[in-house]
Amino acid sequence: GAVVSQHPSWVICKSGTSVKIECRSLDFQATTMFWYRQFPKQSLMLMATSNEGSKATYEQGVEKDKFLINHASLTLSTLTVTSAHPEDSSFYICSARVIQGYEQYFGPGTRLTVT
Amino acid sequence: AQTVTQSQPEMSVQEAETVTLSCTYDTSESDYYLFWYKQPPSRQMILVIRQEAYKQQNATENRFSVNFQKAAKSFSLKISDSQLGDAAMYFCAYRSAVLSGAGSYQLTFGKGTKLSVIP
Repeated sequence: GAVVSQHPSWVICKSGTSVKIECRSLDFQATTMFWYRQFPKQSLMLMATSNEGSKATYEQGVEKDKFLINHASLTLSTLTVTSAHPEDSSFYICSARVIQGYEQYFGPGTRLTVT
Repeated sequence: AQTVTQSQPEMSVQEAETVTLSCTYDTSESDYYLFWYKQPPSRQMILVIRQEAYKQQNATENRFSVNFQKAAKSFSLKISDSQLGDAAMYFCAYRSAVLSGAGSYQLTFGKGTKLSVIP
């Protein structure tokens, strides 16, 4: 149980285009989902927290207009990287928290390459 | 704000031996949770072990155990009988027991320790 999926697992896009990454909790409902960014050989950096039905809370230094987060249902959150540039190339990981629980379950991550 | 420090960027251990990964943290809170996560080359984050700060007993999960020293704010991970599959990045993480403003249970991660297992 407690499986989180991400789609796509790897995406390559051209500079200036937008790309959407989906995060789904497959067998549980999640009121809260988290989006992280991880550069090679570095730790996870929290980008934003999304609560179902409300606006996401972004960490300091994260551009909310560039990284659009939508959490429209208890099983789906999306991260859209708008007008992507090569510096946005990174590994993006989502996690989901079970309702009335404290565990976070992580997705397998999405590798974004912007050319 | 809470901080988590892992002072060992890389560690290695001989297969079947024991290794200890260090983690210290800084917080003014009295109630919180501490975690060790494993990130193998697949990059899937896997929860290894969890410790509640209010529990004095150290958590154990099979070959994995922790040494939780609350006063010293130390939370080390011991891996016994190391196996090749234990090779991974290991992240120590902190979570407050108090809901944040976003009601979110955010995790604060250390920078990680890369563990190599030598056959």
